[in-house]
Amino acid sequence: EPEVTQTPSHQVTQMGQEVILRCVPISNHLYFYWYRQILGQKVEFLVSFYNNEISEKSEIFDDQFSVERPDGSNFTLKIRSTKLEDSAMYFCASNEERRKTSAQETQYFGPGTRLLVL
Amino acid sequence: EDKVVQSPLSLVVHEGDTVTLNCSYEVTNFRSLLWYKQEKKAPTFLFMLTSSGIEKKSGRLSSILDKKELFSILNITATQTGDSAVYLCAVGAFGNEKLTFGTGTRLTIIP
Repeated sequence: EPEVTQTPSHQVTQMGQEVILRCVPISNHLYFYWYRQILGQKVEFLVSFYNNEISEKSEIFDDQFSVERPDGSNFTLKIRSTKLEDSAMYFCASNEERRKTSAQETQYFGPGTRLLVL
Repeated sequence: EDKVVQSPLSLVVHEGDTVTLNCSYEVTNFRSLLWYKQEKKAPTFLFMLTSSGIEKKSGRLSSILDKKELFSILNITATQTGDSAVYLCAVGAFGNEKLTFGTGTRLTIIP
């Protein structure tokens, strides 16, 4: 069964460093998302991406964050200058193109990257 | 602001018991409600519900949505130790892309 994959599974970085988290969405999916989950807290939406541009972003997704689809398979989240509070599990998700008359298609999640900022 | 509240926060039962997990929501332009199971890492999709009163079923798991009262329940019958996980409820709305998650219910099944 196709699945979303993410690398690395764990990343430890120093405060102020840049990190890039990588995701390979399910191959026929066209909508991509990043969520994060701080330890013990809710899963929170960061950003959605469709047709090579951001379609929606949350308040969390400030200028330190960026997303990119550099090729036909990868979807990346970059944090330019990490802060201690960026420590969290970061999930990538994807879904198929939403038909206008249908309900929201299911978002399928990857295994996550656990980011620890020291 | 969209809101999803799950109860109980945690639940410990014996293997073979039946459990009911609750999810209530307040969301503008409701589109769908989704249940996920989160074991160690990735939330794994269980059900998506869009219409009231239609039960979705998969093996020992079932779920139903009440759009008038704004809640959903997830039932697990004849629980097994492999059902131990955090169960997440999320809602989606027309007009935006995101899912809004609840805090989850941590279910522990004792052998």
